[in-house]
Amino acid sequence: QKEVEQNSGPLSVPEGAIASLNCTYSDRVSQSFFWYRQYSGKSPELIMSIYSNGDKEDGRFTAQLNKASQYVSLLIRDSQPSDSATYLCAVAGGYQKVTFGTGTKLQVIP
Amino acid sequence: DAGVTQSPTHLIKTRGQQVTLRCSPKSGHDTVSWYQQALGQGPQFIFQYYEEEERQRGNFPDRFSGHQFPNYSSELNVNALLLGDSALYLCASSFDNQPQHFGDGTRLSIL
Repeated sequence: QKEVEQNSGPLSVPEGAIASLNCTYSDRVSQSFFWYRQYSGKSPELIMSIYSNGDKEDGRFTAQLNKASQYVSLLIRDSQPSDSATYLCAVAGGYQKVTFGTGTKLQVIP
Repeated sequence: DAGVTQSPTHLIKTRGQQVTLRCSPKSGHDTVSWYQQALGQGPQFIFQYYEEEERQRGNFPDRFSGHQFPNYSSELNVNALLLGDSALYLCASSFDNQPQHFGDGTRLSIL
């Protein structure tokens, strides 16, 4: 079993729709959870961090965490073509040893 | 405020050679982590340096080694290069368990 699992996609959504990205993790003692966006040929860019159960909103982005189900999600409202990228789910335990999923490729269709 | 900087941007080596990659952390950050990202994969954790010592290590062979200097900058060294070492090498810095910020990476190609 992979430590952090994501559907590789591609996930295609029309412009203006809500994109829903999901991630599960195996280590129950994980403490910190992150979503990074990575454009092709570029390095990952942090877009959201979440540390406690529930929802965290930042602009068009909402991260959701459910530690009991070991599940993290990212919702992108009003999706734009510029949101087209690979979204990496990352999970950290002690000392910020971060484990990444393989990423979900999102395509926003104009 | 300078972010994480890595050098060189691109590098081409042949099998069996050795390579050194360099990273300067974001201002105010004291922890440096290195990752290897193969095409189509997520970044894989190599190791992390804090207070000039290797604090954690991922599942990479001893051919991969590193160093952190008193100014918090870091080097990643890879010996006896293999074709499979071709990848994007990412450096990330952080402070006090805050989220990591990545540099632009070094793309290493092994011929």
